[in-house]
Amino acid sequence: NAGVTQTPKFQVLKTGQSMTLQCAQDMNHEYMSWYRQDPGMGLRLIHYSVGAGITDQGEVPNGYNVSRSTTEDFPLRLLSAAPSQTSVYFCAIGSSGVLDYGYTFGSGTRLTVV
Amino acid sequence: AQTVTQSQPEMSVQEAETVTLSCTYDTSENNYYLFWYKQPPSRQMILVIRQEAYKQQNATENRFSVNFQKAAKSFSLKISDSQLGDTAMYFCAFMKDYYGGSQGNLIFGKGTKLSVKP
Repeated sequence: NAGVTQTPKFQVLKTGQSMTLQCAQDMNHEYMSWYRQDPGMGLRLIHYSVGAGITDQGEVPNGYNVSRSTTEDFPLRLLSAAPSQTSVYFCAIGSSGVLDYGYTFGSGTRLTVV
Repeated sequence: AQTVTQSQPEMSVQEAETVTLSCTYDTSENNYYLFWYKQPPSRQMILVIRQEAYKQQNATENRFSVNFQKAAKSFSLKISDSQLGDTAMYFCAFMKDYYGGSQGNLIFGKGTKLSVKP
């Protein structure tokens, strides 16, 4: 999606490894969030941020860490990957000023933990 | 806590026909927003339509329209003149209020997989 860049698109990890999923935006939106999508479960919120220096937990935060040092970036860290973290991860951004368009989603990262 | 329920895991429709996807939600809030998102096989999440709870008029976007019943907490999506490109997962989502702290978080249903057959 234009304005939201997620990297990598695919990743395979071994149990216990760590990695960072990147989310970058150039739309100057205050709100950034991470969701995970699992079959039959819809999308569930992991962490979110309403501005630089502010983060909070969502529905399924365990095993994940985030920080927001700039408006543009909101990385998601897996400190010790587990097979239960195999999922598709989406970054979403939003702003009260553009609610007419809903939130903008990145293209997703498919993560497999073996 | 708010919940969103999509009771139809899978549906199919013939090309050019009309199909309705169901969504119900549970909330004690009076002000909120409802959305339908489309996710084609490409995995991209695409906003289809949005409804503000304070508006009585049902939202419409070309072939897509909703039936919003606030008292019944129902928010169904109707797709008219179905096209092969409509084949996708469709997610219903709830937002307590517009962006503002946790109020801005989207709560999703589990999705309905729609197949449009030629």
